[in-house]
Amino acid sequence: GQSLEQPSEVTAVEGAIVQINCTYQTSGFYGLSWYQQHDGGAPTFLSYNALDGLEETGRFSSFLSRSDSYGYLLLQELQMKDSASYFCAAPGNNRKLIWGLGTSLAVNP
Amino acid sequence: DAGVIQSPRHEVTEMGQEVTLRCKPISGHDYLFWYRQTMMRGLELLIYFNNNVPIDDSGMPEDRFSAKMPNASFSTLKIQPSEPRDSAVYFCASSQITEYEQYFGPGTRLTVT
Repeated sequence: GQSLEQPSEVTAVEGAIVQINCTYQTSGFYGLSWYQQHDGGAPTFLSYNALDGLEETGRFSSFLSRSDSYGYLLLQELQMKDSASYFCAAPGNNRKLIWGLGTSLAVNP
Repeated sequence: DAGVIQSPRHEVTEMGQEVTLRCKPISGHDYLFWYRQTMMRGLELLIYFNNNVPIDDSGMPEDRFSAKMPNASFSTLKIQPSEPRDSAVYFCASSQITEYEQYFGPGTRLTVT
C-alpha cells in the first residue's frame, strides 16, 4: 500500500524551533511535498524535495532522505501565525498525490 | 492572478437534492484536482484531470458523484442525490506541470441535512 505517517499534534513556544517528521511508503518515489493549512483555510504549498538533503526557504526548511523513506519540515523562529496544520504528500500510483493526515502545530506565547 | 476560484463558498441542502460545485483553475495550469476534506478521513483526492481529460477517478466515492471539465477554465463536481455523509469541505486545486505543487481554491463547505 501507499501511506504517509506524521505526528498528529506538536506544541511549541514562540521563537523556538520545531521539526515535523514524515515517513512514507509509496510504490515508486518522485519526491515529498509540504503544505500548510490554517483553520478554515485552504492548503498552501510550502516546499518540495525531489533529492536528498535540505531545502531552505526563509524560516522554513524541508529535508529528505530517500534511503530512509523519511523527511521533515523544520520551522525556525516560530511565530503565533505558524499555528496551523502541516501536511506531507508524495506522488503515488498514477502520479496522484498521497497525503498524510496532517500535524496540528500549536504555537504558544 | 486571481488564483483558483470556487463557488459557492457555502452550500446547505437537504438530503436527496442535487448539488453542483464549480471551479475555475489558474489560467495556464494543465492539471485540475478535486478533493474532499473531513475530520475523520482527512484530505481525499476524488478525481483529477490533465488537459481537460479525467486521468484518475478512483477516489470518487460512488456513482452519485460525477465530475466534468468541458474546457480549460471550468470544472464541475456534481452530487446527485446528496446524502448527509457527503457533508465536507470540497477543494479544487490546479497545477501547471507537476502534481506535487498544487494551488488550492478557498473550498466549498457543503452541509447536507
